[in-house]
Amino acid sequence: DIQMTQSPSSLSASVGDRVTITCRASQSISNYLTWYQQKPGKAPKLLIFDASSLQSGVPSRFSGSGSGTDFTLSISSLQPEDFGTYYCQQSYSSSYTFGQGTKLEIK
Amino acid sequence: QVQLVESGGGLVKPGGSLRLSCAASGFTFSDDYMSWIRQAPGKGPEWISYISGSGTTKYNADSVKGRFTISRDNAKTSLYLQMNSLRPEDSALYYCARGRSRYDSWGHGTLVTVSS
Repeated sequence: DIQMTQSPSSLSASVGDRVTITCRASQSISNYLTWYQQKPGKAPKLLIFDASSLQSGVPSRFSGSGSGTDFTLSISSLQPEDFGTYYCQQSYSSSYTFGQGTKLEIK
Repeated sequence: QVQLVESGGGLVKPGGSLRLSCAASGFTFSDDYMSWIRQAPGKGPEWISYISGSGTTKYNADSVKGRFTISRDNAKTSLYLQMNSLRPEDSALYYCARGRSRYDSWGHGTLVTVSS
């Protein structure tokens, strides 16, 4: 199975900050990478697909980049509602594995 | 709007069985792949099974192969997961989601606990 490793595992940032989360695949996955946001007690929400395509309805402050094995999710200007845990997920191979998550807290 | 509502979770002993259901509405159910994804407390999600819109194509993760069976009834716009030979490590919140390899709509989940 392809392993997905996220860093950092947690971070704290202030409103207005630019935040970057990274995700590394154990082998090349081209651009078959999806990002989700999950809030406590809720299901994950799709933010970015195909590494850099913004899902309909998601604010434009969210962006994704990367290909091959290294990917990033960026939030250009952090808002209070952006707290939660962020997961990357590969869809290159049929194990469709998720990362372990990055917990984002607002200072 | 898309709505997915899971049911059927509960407490079961190791080796037991459960059947989960997911009632779908707000979209053309038969057009879309559907998946089951689970999430153990404090862990990332784990995809476990998908089924094509017609029901002819199915695929399971190795962790559940031979024990779990996905199915659907398009007339009832419902998705199912038959879970046999349950193990403690199958304990998790089980979500149904729309899609094969990426998931744009999720239910609220149904909790499965496998314990003696």
